[in-house]
Amino acid sequence: NAGVTQTPKFQVLKTGQSMTLQCAQDMNHNSMYWYRQDPGMGLRLIYYSASEGTTDKGEVPNGYNVSRLNKREFSLRLESAAPSQTSVYFCASSGRTGGDGRRYNEQFFGPGTRLTVL
Amino acid sequence: DAKTTQPPSMDCAEGRAANLPCNHSTISGNEYVYWYRQIHSQGPQYIIHGLKNNETNEMASLIITEDRKSSTLILPHATLRDTAVYYCIVRVGSTGTASKLTFGTGTRLQVTL
Repeated sequence: NAGVTQTPKFQVLKTGQSMTLQCAQDMNHNSMYWYRQDPGMGLRLIYYSASEGTTDKGEVPNGYNVSRLNKREFSLRLESAAPSQTSVYFCASSGRTGGDGRRYNEQFFGPGTRLTVL
Repeated sequence: DAKTTQPPSMDCAEGRAANLPCNHSTISGNEYVYWYRQIHSQGPQYIIHGLKNNETNEMASLIITEDRKSSTLILPHATLRDTAVYYCIVRVGSTGTASKLTFGTGTRLQVTL
């Protein structure tokens, strides 16, 4: 299993440009998440998708949109990038099936996308 | 979700046990204690979680006080690869649908020779 994969690893944008960050998981998890991490800070939740076909706002959703394309993929779009969106973006998934058949919700994270907006 | 308080940094000698404390004095009865760590800007890694009983897995042990107001993550034989930021997070439930996590600034553990 590759786990959670993210593309690209690095990106530099100019103010006003748009881009989509891609995330995929191969663990058959129901839920997926997007976080951002600014220097010296903890992670902050941007958006999440509890299950395929649903998305909800997290703590810091302004300036972002998301798409849960299918069970495996969850993308994050910046329509008009701003310098304040310079950050490291992490995707995560949860919903591991335990031996008891229940879905456990510890999160598994991808390696991150380092985005700089000039 | 209950807030947590952790020391900003700790040191530990390699081979010794690392004991990382966390205070969560406002924890509710249905809230679990989760620990994650983040090694040098990689994605966070799940370590362990518990409700009220002590828990152990291949990575660590989690000791939760009887009143559940605090807990300690124990890395029994710390190695240099355990140098990381450790996050203590409290949240409702451990199963079911999406689990939103609230990360603080964690404890930066430095393991030294």
